[in-house]
Amino acid sequence: GEDVEQSLFLSVREGDSSVINCTYTDSSSTYLYWYKQEPGAGLQLLTYIFSNMDMKQDQRLTVLLNKKDKHLSLRIADTQTGDSAIYFCAESTGGFKTIFGAGTRLFVKA
Amino acid sequence: DTGVSQNPRHKITKRGQNVTFRCDPISEHNRLYWYRQTLGQGPEFLTYFQNEAQLEKSRLLSDRFSAERPKGSFSTLEIQRTEQGDSAMYLCASSLGDRDMDEQFFGPGTRLTVL
Repeated sequence: GEDVEQSLFLSVREGDSSVINCTYTDSSSTYLYWYKQEPGAGLQLLTYIFSNMDMKQDQRLTVLLNKKDKHLSLRIADTQTGDSAIYFCAESTGGFKTIFGAGTRLFVKA
Repeated sequence: DTGVSQNPRHKITKRGQNVTFRCDPISEHNRLYWYRQTLGQGPEFLTYFQNEAQLEKSRLLSDRFSAERPKGSFSTLEIQRTEQGDSAMYLCASSLGDRDMDEQFFGPGTRLTVL
């Protein structure tokens, strides 16, 4: 069945780069997403990548997709304390159904 | 603030009671979704509406759960005869629903605690 897996925790120092990894199982996934959830708030879409792309860059965020290995990563450059949050990887085949991973908790140390 | 609001933000109830949550989506959004999120997990899909029609329900949505979106605007999620296992964060999201890349905007959630 469909599944999305992520590592649970990541700790980095302020100013370093963070890399959050994700693997998914559905080879027919069309869109892959990264959402951010801060305490007491709902999920916020950070960025997404279409399955025919390898990379997408958006300011401090870089998404890399290895479709062969079904591996997605999110790199945050110059990580700030305000980046501390839970980051969810998600995939969909288009349409209504989106499958989320369990989330990676990013701790940024000052 | 994404523009999606949910009420109440917190609900504590005793086992066996009924509870109802409300979601107000972004006004021009046609699709509305309900998810459940338990501690340490990502959101799990429960159901979604295209305008007022409920088009899909997850197997997670037992007979005790019912959702409505009567006028295609706000939605309610009711849980009857609550059980301790229903304790979770219930998230609502909305989207335009007019394309495959359908960005969902999430509300802050309603945290349910069943004692």
